[in-house]
Amino acid sequence: DAGVTQSPTHLIKTRGQQVTLRCSPKSGHDTVSWYQQALGQGPQFIFQYYEEEERQRGNFPDRFSGHQFPNYSSELNVNALLLGDSALYLCASSLATHGYTFGSGTRLTVV
Amino acid sequence: ILNVEQSPQSLHVQEGDSTNFTCSFPSSNFYALHWYRWETAKSPEALFVMTLNGDEKKKGRISATLNTKEGYSYLYIKGSQPEDSATYLCASPTNAGKSTFGDGTTLTVKP
Repeated sequence: DAGVTQSPTHLIKTRGQQVTLRCSPKSGHDTVSWYQQALGQGPQFIFQYYEEEERQRGNFPDRFSGHQFPNYSSELNVNALLLGDSALYLCASSLATHGYTFGSGTRLTVV
Repeated sequence: ILNVEQSPQSLHVQEGDSTNFTCSFPSSNFYALHWYRWETAKSPEALFVMTLNGDEKKKGRISATLNTKEGYSYLYIKGSQPEDSATYLCASPTNAGKSTFGDGTTLTVKP
């Protein structure tokens, strides 16, 4: 049973560019949440998708947007990248409000 | 407590020592408390999902307790081993699914 898969694993982008990160949830999970983890900090909630709609959103600017597809997979898009967007981006899937299953993350470096 | 807070930030113990650390969370509108273990270069792994005041959960040498009235949970590791070295995260989800994470406690167990 495949867990949560994220792609790519690593990414280097230039300031001002746009990036798309992808996540396939664990089989049977219908909810996908995205988190940003900066060095030395816990994961910060970006947003959550359920039934192809953004259900909740954390304190992130509109440059961060997402999408969930009918097969429950999800994308995180970040526009106009800033140096401060460099972080590990984690995708977590869940069924309702049970504990999360996390992917391995995408390490984004903005130069 | 308005956010999820964990203490200490880091901990260094000798193999065989027992240790514990704390997660504090808002006690109002409590829904659940999750503990995760995050080993370097791996995904966070769910340890415990706790919902009832007075809950005690155990997995091998690791156990956790929950006090929802005062808003704290303790994680205990008995007889620490080097393989227990990891960052331990706690998270407080809402009934809508969004989880607020603490910044974690990083445990290093020296052989």
